[in-house]
Amino acid sequence: GAVVSQHPSWVICKSGTSVKIECRSLDFQATTMFWYRQFPKQSLMLMATSNEGSKATYEQGVEKDKFLINHASLTLSTLTVTSAHPEDSSFYICSALGALFYNEQFFGPGTRLTVL
Amino acid sequence: DAKTTQPNSMESNEEEPVHLPCNHSTISGTDYIHWYRQLPSQGPEYVIHGLTSNVNNRMASLAIAEDRKSSTLILHRATLRDAAVYYCIPTSGNTPLVFGKGTRLSVIA
Repeated sequence: GAVVSQHPSWVICKSGTSVKIECRSLDFQATTMFWYRQFPKQSLMLMATSNEGSKATYEQGVEKDKFLINHASLTLSTLTVTSAHPEDSSFYICSALGALFYNEQFFGPGTRLTVL
Repeated sequence: DAKTTQPNSMESNEEEPVHLPCNHSTISGTDYIHWYRQLPSQGPEYVIHGLTSNVNNRMASLAIAEDRKSSTLILHRATLRDAAVYYCIPTSGNTPLVFGKGTRLSVIA
């Protein structure tokens, strides 16, 4: 199957700093990537849909100015958590959809963000 | 999005078959039924998907009811590595997956 990587796998930062998380499709071109977050003992919640070369579409309740998404190429999408606060601490997961893989999404391993 | 109902948790002995049920009575005619699983501290992993006919792959089998309002994921011989949260997700293709609460499967050695 296709491989999606995320970097970093975990990050600890101080309140008020910004953190960038990268999501890469390693062996296929991803026309669309999705960003999710997951709080402890909860299910994944969709944050936004990212299409290469266009602005991301955010789910209701997700602040687009706080969670900046850039999908500059067919293999890379980035999520920047700006001015992070402790309540942003979560497990952030991306998934990628490739043109050749209709009906199957490939998930990254996740990034655990802890804001002190 | 079609609403799904799954048991919160299930338990199985190692090496025994496990049948994980899912009700999706509001599924649309074009929705595929996907199953993903999530091991602790990892991203979800694709397991299997189907539309109408039963499906088999190296990981599992998927049995789909004739009216498509329910399906069952079958792990033929559970191993400790199968302990995970299993999600049943009806989806119409290239749209984001909507995760419910899933079923937490525990496997006992």
